[in-house]
Amino acid sequence: DAKTTQPPSMDCAEGRAANLPCNHSTISGNEYVYWYRQIHSQGPQYIIHGLKNNETNEMASLIITEDRKSSTLILPHATLRDTAVYYCIVRPTNFGNEKLTFGTGTRLTIIP
Amino acid sequence: KAGVTQTPRYLIKTRGQQVTLSCSPISGHRSVSWYQQTPGQGLQFLFEYFSETQRNKGNFPGRFSGRQFSNSRSEMNVSTLELGDSALYLCASSLWSSGPGSPLHFGNGTRLTVT
Repeated sequence: DAKTTQPPSMDCAEGRAANLPCNHSTISGNEYVYWYRQIHSQGPQYIIHGLKNNETNEMASLIITEDRKSSTLILPHATLRDTAVYYCIVRPTNFGNEKLTFGTGTRLTIIP
Repeated sequence: KAGVTQTPRYLIKTRGQQVTLSCSPISGHRSVSWYQQTPGQGLQFLFEYFSETQRNKGNFPGRFSGRQFSNSRSEMNVSTLELGDSALYLCASSLWSSGPGSPLHFGNGTRLTVT
């Protein structure tokens, strides 16, 4: 399985865009990139996923580079409630949920 | 649509006891997975059930078991509790067992403390 590398922590000012990078240089062609976040004492929350095209939903945007070796999660207008640990993971399309591996993630702190 | 519901939210048990945790998936979801989360080990896969059948099992001892009912609700059981079993136990449901259109949705977990 492809592994991911994320910075351990980041700060972002409230109201600004938060850009969280993820490196997945060994990703294979059938692996999707997923983003989750976990607020203290809660379960991980699904944010967005994509294969090779940029994706956007009501929570965030996902930008995947053309070579698919890295991606960026963008929270367009960060609020204090976005303070959480963000996980970038890759998931093969032809395997089940047993293949999900969460790394240590990025601890994002939104500064008032 | 209601999310994944796990009960109880908190549990305190003593060594040697057993415990049963419950999970109600999102309506229509047929796959239920269980994970253990600890500060040292992170999130670790326990097992997955789909249509009442265990599809996969992680690297945990036989003291950890589970089952899924016909309405997709799931339970996991831990027997002969050890101190090291103290963790946040997370249940996640998805529409199918695999595939890009089927992201996992997690509950808020059961915090188990073994004394």
